[in-house]
Order: sequence, then C-alpha cells, then structure tokens
Amino acid sequence: GQQLNQSPQSMFIQEGEDVSMNCTSSSIFNTWLWYKQDPGEGPVLLIALYKAGELTSNGRLTAQFGITRKDSFLNISASIPSDVGIYFCAGQPLQVYGQNFVFGPGTRLSVLP
Amino acid sequence: NAGVTQTPKFRILKIGQSMTLQCAQDMNHNYMYWYRQDPGMGLKLIYYSVGAGITDKGEVPNGYNVSRSTTEDFPLRLELAAPSQTSVYFCASSYSPSTNEKLFFGSGTQLSVL
Repeated sequence: GQQLNQSPQSMFIQEGEDVSMNCTSSSIFNTWLWYKQDPGEGPVLLIALYKAGELTSNGRLTAQFGITRKDSFLNISASIPSDVGIYFCAGQPLQVYGQNFVFGPGTRLSVLP
Repeated sequence: NAGVTQTPKFRILKIGQSMTLQCAQDMNHNYMYWYRQDPGMGLKLIYYSVGAGITDKGEVPNGYNVSRSTTEDFPLRLELAAPSQTSVYFCASSYSPSTNEKLFFGSGTQLSVL
C-alpha cells in the first residue's frame, strides 16, 4: 500500500527553538493533514491543507502543501513544553477518496527546558 | 459535544479470547474507521464504514470483524485474540469522503494479548 515517510523520526530541542519536520510520498496527494498525539490520547488535527503550495498557520504552527503534491512541511516556532508529543502527517491519495487516508510513522518531539 | 468515544481504554486478553471494542460518535458522521497503531508505524486501516449497514475491509482486516447497525456505533470484534493483535486501536469518523473532510479520532484502546 501507499506509504508516507516522515523525518526526522525524533528530535530533542531546547524550549524556545523553532522546529521543522516533513512528510514525503512517492505519489501525489489531494490533501495533507497534520495531527498531534499526546500520550494516551488519540491524534488531534492541527492543520489541514487542500491545495498545492498552500501555506496555513494555526498559532505557532505553520504547514505547507508542497508544490509537487508529494510532500508537506510542518514548522513550530518558539517551542514550549506542551509541544511535546508525536506529530503525524496523513495524506489522501489522488485517486482514492475518503476511507484511504495514509498515515506517516510520526515524528516524536521532545522539548527540553 | 463528546465527539468520538471509545471503550474500554485498556484491556488484557489471553490468546484465543474474544472481545468487542466499542466506538460511538455523536457528530452524525457517515464515515467511520478503525485503525491500529503499532510502535514506530503509521496508523493502519482495519475496516471502515460509509454508512449504516455498509462496511468494507481496509489494509489489515484479518482477525477482525465489524458491524454498523446505526450511524452512531461502529464496534470492532476480535474473535480469537492473537499476540499479533497487541496494539493501540483508534476509531475515527468523518462526515463524508470529500477532499475537504477531516478525520476525528477517539482516545484509543490499548490492547495486550498474552
């Protein structure tokens, strides 16, 4: 099946630093979603992207839908301790709608005080 | 608004036992999904439903069954639990399959099969 790659797999940063992570696919996607998962909880939607080149912000978070439609990026500015968690990207392949969201393996973020 | 509610939160099963994971949503969503999450892996789709009475297999359906008798409920059944089914299970829902829809997740069920 389709797979998404996320990098980095994990990262340790100092509080206040900016964070960048990305998600890549071998095929074109219609939609990119970024989720955050806290321990013991389900993923919570952060940002949704629907058009190539689209740049969307949600507070300190900014995500972009890559021009090639095969990648997406998430940036977090001025990280704080509550940013700790696993960040997942999810995409909706071009040919298939609805039920076939594909998820990346996640980027685990740790914020050091 | 409760959103997507999953029960139980945790469960330990012995090999060969059966159980049902419950999922309910109160958002009047047509589409419901069951995913499993294994360490270091992306979420894998087990089964999904496009509406009451309609279900279909996802990427990893073996060992599971589902039913959708109402719009609100989408239980996942494990008939003969195996260690390979140790995982965290997430139920999700969305209103429609259009490209402008998002998935909303429950808080998960952590299952261990020993």
